[in-house]
Amino acid sequence: DAKTTQPNSMESNEEEPVHLPCNHSTISGTDYIHWYRQLPSQGPEYVIHGLTSNVNNRMASLAIAEDRKSSTLILHRATLRDAAVYYCILGSGNTGKLIFGQGTTLQVKP
Amino acid sequence: KAGVTQTPRYLIKTRGQQVTLSCSPISGHRSVSWYQQTPGQGLQFLFEYFSETQRNKGNFPGRFSGRQFSNSRSEMNVSTLELGDSALYLCASSLYPGGGSGEQYFGPGTRLTVT
Repeated sequence: DAKTTQPNSMESNEEEPVHLPCNHSTISGTDYIHWYRQLPSQGPEYVIHGLTSNVNNRMASLAIAEDRKSSTLILHRATLRDAAVYYCILGSGNTGKLIFGQGTTLQVKP
Repeated sequence: KAGVTQTPRYLIKTRGQQVTLSCSPISGHRSVSWYQQTPGQGLQFLFEYFSETQRNKGNFPGRFSGRQFSNSRSEMNVSTLELGDSALYLCASSLYPGGGSGEQYFGPGTRLTVT
């Protein structure tokens, strides 16, 4: 199974943009790049996903490198409610199996 | 639209016992996946079901089993419980199989404690 590498933790100030990096050098052609986040005492929450092109939704943007070996989740204006563990995950299009890494713990300072 | 529901939310069992956890997916979702979350191992995939068929299985012993019913509700069973089975068990549903290409919606989890 292809794996992802993320920094253990990051800090951000409230209302500033946050760029969360992820490396996935062994990604295969059929792997989608997913981001989920998990707040304390809750199940993971879907944030965004993409295959090759950059993606935007109401929560965030996903920038995917041209060689697909890395990606960045962009939160445009961090709020205190964005403090969570963010998981970058590769998911095969043929299966519902998601392989979670350790994730990045994001702290947002007021 | 109601989200994914899991019952019970909390459970305490003794070593050697067995346990059954239940998951009701979002209405209309036919794919259900199960995950185990522990502080040491993080989130690990257990299995995936679609249309009552197991499509994929993670690296867990045979003591862990599951099934899906015709209404898409799913159960997972753990027999001969061990202390290491203490974890948060999460269920996720998606509209189609191959949720790896789309979003999955997670329930709040069942916190299992084995004593």
